[in-house]
Amino acid sequence: EVQLVQSGAEVRKPGESLKISCKGSGYSFTSYWIAWVRQMPGKGLEWMGIIYPGDSDARYSPSFQGQVTISADKSISTAYLQWSSLKASDTAMYYCARQGALGGRFDPWGQGTLVTVSS
Amino acid sequence: QSVLTQPPSVSGAPGQRVTISCTGSSSNIGGGYDVYWYQQLPGTAPRLLIYLNSNRPSGVPDRFSGSKSATSASLAITGLQAEDEADYYCHSYDSSLSGSVFGGGTKLTVL
Repeated sequence: EVQLVQSGAEVRKPGESLKISCKGSGYSFTSYWIAWVRQMPGKGLEWMGIIYPGDSDARYSPSFQGQVTISADKSISTAYLQWSSLKASDTAMYYCARQGALGGRFDPWGQGTLVTVSS
Repeated sequence: QSVLTQPPSVSGAPGQRVTISCTGSSSNIGGGYDVYWYQQLPGTAPRLLIYLNSNRPSGVPDRFSGSKSATSASLAITGLQAEDEADYYCHSYDSSLSGSVFGGGTKLTVL
């Protein structure tokens, strides 16, 4: 079974750093893109960026460029999303999703990681 | 403001048919890029409902169907059931942004 399992919920203070993860299984991790999608409370889905674990080629939405870093460790089939200095406005649910090609379907999705940033 | 435009809400009685529109532009849907639809049940992650404009993954009931024309796409749900109450999102690729874009989402209420 193809599966993406994300790390657990996190609570941080403004200004702190954070790295969340997404582990793939059941398929060739290096042959598919992994995307990150943000969903703020009560809002819709926003595409943040994407990485190809095979060569770590990462692309970012203009809205998120410079705000987050997407990386991957193919040796452990895991993709990451990280912040160097969190803001309260980063409070959201973050999903990872597998994508076969740029612009292709997102399937499957991880279960989501809730990030809460509060002083 | 989302690049793809969806109605915020639609509703229908059990057994009825509803459609959800997704309107884009020449840099995404109108540029020939495929459209995908996702269903997000309350408190859960989105799941793929329609791929490549009109195809259903295995396990998705044939009550769900998709279509695409010019700069827009539509999701139709026939024989509405209470379990269909969810948020629905369209997705495509945008050449101007060089990345994926989503619609703002449509909340389906089964009356």
